[in-house]
Amino acid sequence: GESVGLHLPTLSVQEGDNSIINCAYSNSASDYFIWYKQESGKGPQFIIDIRSNMDKRQGQRVTVLLNKTVKHLSLQIAATQPGDSAVYFCAENSGGSNYKLTFGKGTLLTVNP
Amino acid sequence: DGGITQSPKYLFRKEGQNVTLSCEQNLNHDAMYWYRQDPGQGLRLIYYSQIVNDFQKGDIAEGYSVSREKKESFPLTVTSAQKNPTAFYLCATRSGGQPQHFGDGTRLSIL
Repeated sequence: GESVGLHLPTLSVQEGDNSIINCAYSNSASDYFIWYKQESGKGPQFIIDIRSNMDKRQGQRVTVLLNKTVKHLSLQIAATQPGDSAVYFCAENSGGSNYKLTFGKGTLLTVNP
Repeated sequence: DGGITQSPKYLFRKEGQNVTLSCEQNLNHDAMYWYRQDPGQGLRLIYYSQIVNDFQKGDIAEGYSVSREKKESFPLTVTSAQKNPTAFYLCATRSGGQPQHFGDGTRLSIL
């Protein structure tokens, strides 16, 4: 079936730099997208979400951009800190009101002090 | 997430045994989900439940079973029919149109 595509890449940044993590999705009917952060041995932690009627949403130090034309989602982290080091997953809801999420494989973010 | 408790944190299974993973929540959320995560992979949906006494198969339900007798509890049984059960199992809950929130998982290994 359709899935959010993301081979597990690694992004390495210096502390204080901005980070951009990208995600391509394939289901044009998906109406809701979420970014999660997962630290080793723990469950995913919600970061930010966006609905398909928006193209940008900002949180504290994070921004999510949605480009429906090319089916692309990105997560921007401003002033990246060592505590931001983790695996980041994007997820799409293509299950309507059931909110069945399809997850990408994740990006490992490493922040160097 | 403090409102979602998964136990045990680590679980070992012998060949041919069924094991049950616990997921309890005190968030009063209607929907609950079970996912499986393999190393270097994203999460894959096993089963989900929108309300008490009702549940549906996800993408990889074979070899698993669930029950939803109480709103607070959604136990997952890994049966002997699941030939590759070693994985990290995650439980999530959701309320309305809000995002899913996750517990801290159970790591299952085969002896």
